[in-house]
Amino acid sequence: GNSVTQMEGPVTLSEEAFLTINCTYTATGYPSLFWYVQYPGEGLQLLLKATKADDKGSNKGFEATYRKETTSFHLEKGSVQVSDSAVYFCALSPTGGFKTIFGAGTRLFVKA
Amino acid sequence: NAGVTQTPKFRVLKTGQSMTLLCAQDMNHEYMYWYRQDPGMGLRLIHYSVGEGTTAKGEVPDGYNVSRLKKQNFLLGLESAAPSQTSVYFCASSSEEYTEAFFGQGTRLTVV
Repeated sequence: GNSVTQMEGPVTLSEEAFLTINCTYTATGYPSLFWYVQYPGEGLQLLLKATKADDKGSNKGFEATYRKETTSFHLEKGSVQVSDSAVYFCALSPTGGFKTIFGAGTRLFVKA
Repeated sequence: NAGVTQTPKFRVLKTGQSMTLLCAQDMNHEYMYWYRQDPGMGLRLIHYSVGEGTTAKGEVPDGYNVSRLKKQNFLLGLESAAPSQTSVYFCASSSEEYTEAFFGQGTRLTVV
């Protein structure tokens, strides 16, 4: 079946540090891949997406590249800010389908 | 832009009571979903709908019922609440054209 595995948190970084949150997936065919972000007290919102192999999604300084050979979609940011503190979810939408499947989420704390 | 709106935002129920959570979207999306979010478990799909008048079970449907009488609304019902249903509930919607999900702000439900 389809599944998403992401690194456990929490991840604690100092401001301006480099961020990587690992995400790997299991799926048949060519799913679409997503990163969602959830700020405290809010719902999830789409951060970035990629719909085919080697695509790079980017937004607000965050990037992730769809790697089919390693079934991965790692989230990176070169210099985090305190305002990036949130929970980040990796997710996939199966080929030709819907019903997004989510990872467990990774909580990020950024210290000033 | 309202997007996806959930009501209520907070609710406390006694064991055995019933309630209905309302989700409304104004984006004319075909698909709608109810998820629950529990610590360390990410988001789990309760029920979903692929169009007006249709519903289907997700990953954790027991103890819940849903209805979609109008395309813009998706209702989640708890007939006899149990403490295990204490959670944060999110409604989401998506379309065939854009597979990413749009989320409501969530409903925090406590069953005592």
